[in-house]
Amino acid sequence: AQSVAQPEDQVNVAEGNPLTVKCTYSVSGNPYLFWYVQYPNRGLQFLLKYITGDNLVKGSYGFEAEFNKSQTSFHLKKPSALVSDSALYFCAVTPPEGSNYQLIWGAGTKLIIKP
Amino acid sequence: GAGVSQTPSNKVTEKGKYVELRCDPISGHTALYWYRQSLGQGPEFLIYFQGTGAADDSGLPNDRFFAVRPEGSVSTLKIQRTERGDSAVYLCASSLIAGTGANVLTFGAGSRLTVL
Repeated sequence: AQSVAQPEDQVNVAEGNPLTVKCTYSVSGNPYLFWYVQYPNRGLQFLLKYITGDNLVKGSYGFEAEFNKSQTSFHLKKPSALVSDSALYFCAVTPPEGSNYQLIWGAGTKLIIKP
Repeated sequence: GAGVSQTPSNKVTEKGKYVELRCDPISGHTALYWYRQSLGQGPEFLIYFQGTGAADDSGLPNDRFFAVRPEGSVSTLKIQRTERGDSAVYLCASSLIAGTGANVLTFGAGSRLTVL
């Protein structure tokens, strides 16, 4: 079965330190990969996506993600964390033959940035 | 509008009651989607509209759930005879077009439904 795994329920990082939120997937073919962020009482916001091309994708708020086909991973990274980055982060995957609403979602990772 | 608007933001109801949740998508977005999100989980697809018609309703859990989009803009998700298990955050999203997996969804803030 196709799936997305976010192995960490919560990640704690000190402000100013680099952060990584992990995502691995099990989807056939060459999928499209997404990261969304959810702030309290706000909707899911698109951060970045990988469709094809350069494996390093840059997105909103200084975030980036690296697509690794051999490891089937798409980890989210930021060089220097801000307290305002504290939120719930979701990785999602669409098989290329699928439509944009047929996303397979991870369970989410709560990111806590401590001052 | 500037974003996807959902009302009410919170709804508390009693088991067995009828509930309507409204979604106002971004102006010009022809595709509209409803998802349900439970605590600690990613969104679960319910139904997708292209224009006025439901293009895919395969995610609706049972016939107590129904959604309409009569004029191709605002949509209403209707839940009859609510059950405690219906408690969740109901998310609406829209996109300019649908069909390719690369298109990004714009989500509303959600309607939190609590069934007592």
